[in-house]
Amino acid sequence: DARVTQTPRHKVTEMGQEVTMRCQPILGHNTVFWYRQTMMQGLELLAYFRNRAPLDDSGMPKDRFSAEMPDATLATLKIQPSEPRDSAVYFCASVFVGTEAFFGQGTRLTVV
Amino acid sequence: DQQVKQNSPSLSVQEGRISILNCDYTNSMFDYFLWYKKYPAEGPTFLISISSIKDKNEDGRFTVFLNKSAKHLSLHIVPSQPGDSAVYFCAASAHGAGSYQLTFGKGTKLSVIP
Repeated sequence: DARVTQTPRHKVTEMGQEVTMRCQPILGHNTVFWYRQTMMQGLELLAYFRNRAPLDDSGMPKDRFSAEMPDATLATLKIQPSEPRDSAVYFCASVFVGTEAFFGQGTRLTVV
Repeated sequence: DQQVKQNSPSLSVQEGRISILNCDYTNSMFDYFLWYKKYPAEGPTFLISISSIKDKNEDGRFTVFLNKSAKHLSLHIVPSQPGDSAVYFCAASAHGAGSYQLTFGKGTKLSVIP
């Protein structure tokens, strides 16, 4: 049963701490997206990778967010330092060119 | 500037009736459109898609209509069932430009009343 796996599912952290979210895309999918869902903005694209190379990260606050794909089975999204306004659900999705995107279950981040 | 707009935040429909969810877009480069369904505490799941070379695509109870001249698409669910209650997101991408990046609307929460 192929699926996108995200860890952790929930994270509560104090302001100023580093947060790392992980995503395992579906095997063989060569495009990975990070989205953030908030009540006000809906689903916003933060970054996306194709064949592990970053293609667009214009949606990310560069001073505190970073996204990487150290290998084809792992994508990471880091926030350092975290702020209360970063509280949201973060989704990873993967695509094999020509098919629809499959989403993980998300990481619910709360920064207090 | 929102490129994909879902102007109705919520919609209530009686079980058995038709649900119509609407979506408008502004970017003329978009050539592939998708609908995703999202339940609480889960990720969005793909429902149905349509390429800009078509004006209709049907899959069981779900039909998506595309009006390119109006930059408008709609999702019809007939008949609606209580299990259809979820948030529906419209999304668009520019495949012809080599981009599979999805731009989403803010979603419409559908409630199907038994």
